[in-house]
Amino acid sequence: AQSVTQLDSHVSVSEGTPVLLRCNYSSSYSPSLFWYVQHPNKGLQLLLKYTSAATLVKGINGFEAEFKKSETSFHLTKPSAHMSDAAEYFCVVSVRNNDMRFGAGTRLTVKP
Amino acid sequence: DAMVIQNPRYQVTQFGKPVTLSCSQTLNHNVMYWYQQKSSQAPKLLFHYYDKDFNNEADTPDNFQSRRPNTSFCFLDIRSPGLGDAAMYLCATSRDMETQYFGPGTRLLVL
Repeated sequence: AQSVTQLDSHVSVSEGTPVLLRCNYSSSYSPSLFWYVQHPNKGLQLLLKYTSAATLVKGINGFEAEFKKSETSFHLTKPSAHMSDAAEYFCVVSVRNNDMRFGAGTRLTVKP
Repeated sequence: DAMVIQNPRYQVTQFGKPVTLSCSQTLNHNVMYWYQQKSSQAPKLLFHYYDKDFNNEADTPDNFQSRRPNTSFCFLDIRSPGLGDAAMYLCATSRDMETQYFGPGTRLLVL
């Protein structure tokens, strides 16, 4: 069985500073990993996905994530936060896509 | 643009009054999913259709039903909504169990 742990329920950064949202996973098989973003009262938007190709994955809006098998991690980063990045972020692990396991979410706050 | 559409965006119903939420897609994906998301929680999968095959999650209450009349449309029926069913309901689609793409959600309020 697979599972995912988002290590921070809330992250607060200042505009223009780097963002780091942490995600650890557990999976018996080679996983697919995703990051989704959800703005208030909106659906989930796919930021990026890892599916056993390059370990450094680039996504939309300047986000990227690195798959580290030895650390079972898939942390999301962005060099410079923007006010519009304030949202809820979900890390998701999947072995078969009908068995997607969501993390509890990390709320990102961006201060002016 | 290809997309997942959910109607209505906000739905108010009365306790015990049946309600139907709608999802349509222009992606021509063969898999459609329904999730329930309560405040400050992750989405919880209720069920999915793989083509015409219905797959219910083990812990989805019988109060929740779904219909998929064709590839493009999928409905979520709540037969007798309770106060605990107030939530955001998210529809998603995928091609053959690959990446899921979500609609904007329908927020359900039960009075």
